[in-house]
Amino acid sequence: GQQVMQIPQYQHVQEGEDFTTYCNSSTTLSNIQWYKQRPGGHPVFLIQLVKSGEVKKQKRLTFQFGEAKKNSSLHITATQTTDVGTYFCAGSRVRWGKLQFGAGTQVVVTP
Amino acid sequence: NAGVTQTPKFQVLKTGQSMTLQCAQDMNHEYMSWYRQDPGMGLRLIHYSVGAGITDQGEVPNGYNVSRSTTEDFPLRLLSAAPSQTSVYFCASSYTGQGKETQYFGPGTRLLVL
Repeated sequence: GQQVMQIPQYQHVQEGEDFTTYCNSSTTLSNIQWYKQRPGGHPVFLIQLVKSGEVKKQKRLTFQFGEAKKNSSLHITATQTTDVGTYFCAGSRVRWGKLQFGAGTQVVVTP
Repeated sequence: NAGVTQTPKFQVLKTGQSMTLQCAQDMNHEYMSWYRQDPGMGLRLIHYSVGAGITDQGEVPNGYNVSRSTTEDFPLRLLSAAPSQTSVYFCASSYTGQGKETQYFGPGTRLLVL
């Protein structure tokens, strides 16, 4: 079945540094979504990517969907303490099919 | 709008007991789903629904039942609770229209099965 793998599982970042988290699927995806979950909270939608090679930016966050639509990345520049949380990618093979989440990247930021 | 609401927030059950986790949304979303979240495993899809009267199984459906009699409500039933069902449960809803596929999550229900 479809597998969505996310690396790294844990990321310790100094404030002001950049980092990237990666998401890889064993199958071609129809679309990929990214979510952020603060400690003790619920996942909050960040963005959806649909097109091959698509790149979208939200302030300091850059999201990319691979050409083969099997991988994606989230790059955060100049990390701030507000970036603390767990970032999840989620994808499905068909529109409105079963959405599968990666295990998440837990981000800890030190001042 | 209240968005997605879930009740209860916390629940302790004994093995073998049954219960229903409630989920409601007031955004007129067609698509609703239930996930469970366990440490280090992300969110796993239990059941989902693309509209009233339509449900389908997700990745981990065993031990759970759902029904969707209205657009607003999507309850999750635990038939006979087991310790392996100790988890945090999230309900989510979204539109099915293009460009409006954001999933809105409820605050979650923390379930402990003894």
